Amino acid sequence: GENVEQHPSTLSVQEGDSAVIKCTYSDSASNYFPWYKQELGKRPQLIIDIRSNVGEKKDQRIAVTLNKTAKHFSLHITETQPEDSAVYFCAFILTGGGNKLTFGTGTQLKVEL
Amino acid sequence: KAGVTQTPRYLIKTRGQQVTLSCSPISGHRSVSWYQQTPGQGLQFLFEYFSETQRNKGNFPGRFSGRQFSNSRSEMNVSTLELGDSALYLCASSLDSPGHYGYTFGSGTRLTVV
Repeated sequence: GENVEQHPSTLSVQEGDSAVIKCTYSDSASNYFPWYKQELGKRPQLIIDIRSNVGEKKDQRIAVTLNKTAKHFSLHITETQPEDSAVYFCAFILTGGGNKLTFGTGTQLKVEL
Repeated sequence: KAGVTQTPRYLIKTRGQQVTLSCSPISGHRSVSWYQQTPGQGLQFLFEYFSETQRNKGNFPGRFSGRQFSNSRSEMNVSTLELGDSALYLCASSLDSPGHYGYTFGSGTRLTVV
């Protein structure tokens, strides 16, 4: 069945350092991989996504890489800032014929001053 | 343009009662999904609707149901509430067209069952 493993569950970094969160998915037919950021008490917000025909995508300090052969994708945040502190969720979706967004278990990122 | 609107924001119900939650998607979005978020279980998929049809369903008991109207607004209903149904219920909408699969979430309805 559809499943995604996310690691680590918690991550603490110093301001200015990089943070990397990794996810492994089970269904090789998955073709859309978004990442969501959820601040305390707020809604999950889409921060970056990648399609299966792309290996890497970057948006300012955030990048996502996808390895379809190994079925894993990663979120990279460079030059972390205190406002990056939040829970990050990876997800995948099988597009076409109905979209079911399956989420990872989340990573609590804390950026310390 | 307006985001995804969920009502009510907070709800307190008693065990055994039923509840209806509402979600208005972003204008033009035809796909609406519902999720249950709890500290222990994360974000669990409930169901997805598109053009008034349920396309996908998660692993929840039949007490959880939903529907979508012709204007894409959606409702979910939980009958015979249990304490374990206490959670944040999130609705998300998507344009669901080639190249546009991103889901935008509403602020959620915080349901407390006592």
